[in-house]
Amino acid sequence: DTAVSQTPKYLVTQMGNDKSIKCEQNLGHDTMYWYKQDSKKFLKIMFSYNNKELIINETVPNRFSPKSPDKAHLNLHINSLELGDSAVYFCASSHTLPAGELFFGEGSRLTVL
Amino acid sequence: SQQGEEDPQALSIQEGENATMNCSYKTSINNLQWYRQNSGRGLVHLILIRSNEREKHSGRLRVTLDTSKKSSSLLITASRAADTASYFCATDVPSSYKLIFGSGTRLLVRP
Repeated sequence: DTAVSQTPKYLVTQMGNDKSIKCEQNLGHDTMYWYKQDSKKFLKIMFSYNNKELIINETVPNRFSPKSPDKAHLNLHINSLELGDSAVYFCASSHTLPAGELFFGEGSRLTVL
Repeated sequence: SQQGEEDPQALSIQEGENATMNCSYKTSINNLQWYRQNSGRGLVHLILIRSNEREKHSGRLRVTLDTSKKSSSLLITASRAADTASYFCATDVPSSYKLIFGSGTRLLVRP
């Protein structure tokens, strides 16, 4: 059983489109995260939810909107996609706050053409 | 802003040799973690060291932490080709819930 699963794994789309990435964890963790990894492998935190409550909201464009319907799911919706949004997006979860060990999904590679 | 910086950016060694990677960070921390990322995969947690610990071992991994210098090192002994990956340090930011990752070291272990 995959602990943290993301879909889709690959996403290719045109500029201006809207897309969503879904994430689910079956570890029973209370906290989930979205990270963005750029082409130089630099990982930047975007959002975090704890028990469906937004606790980290980094300086990202408001075209990015996270949604947590329950503590096992954290989705990321991106409006009006731009070329610079191309990256690998990772979902992660952790049992504790402040952040202890993070469990990562396999990533969703977004390519904006 | 970036909290951790790894050094070197890339490292190439022969199988059987030891690999040492360093991480420097800027602010005080509660703990520091190391993660491995194989190509095209997610990050996998390797080890966590708390700010009141100086050294920790896990199998072939040895991590040291020097809070006075704000630095940590990861030593992989008797490296194997399967150790080829990128290695990241990550530090928590006190009074926040963030875990901030460094820039990573790309390790290549040649058979």
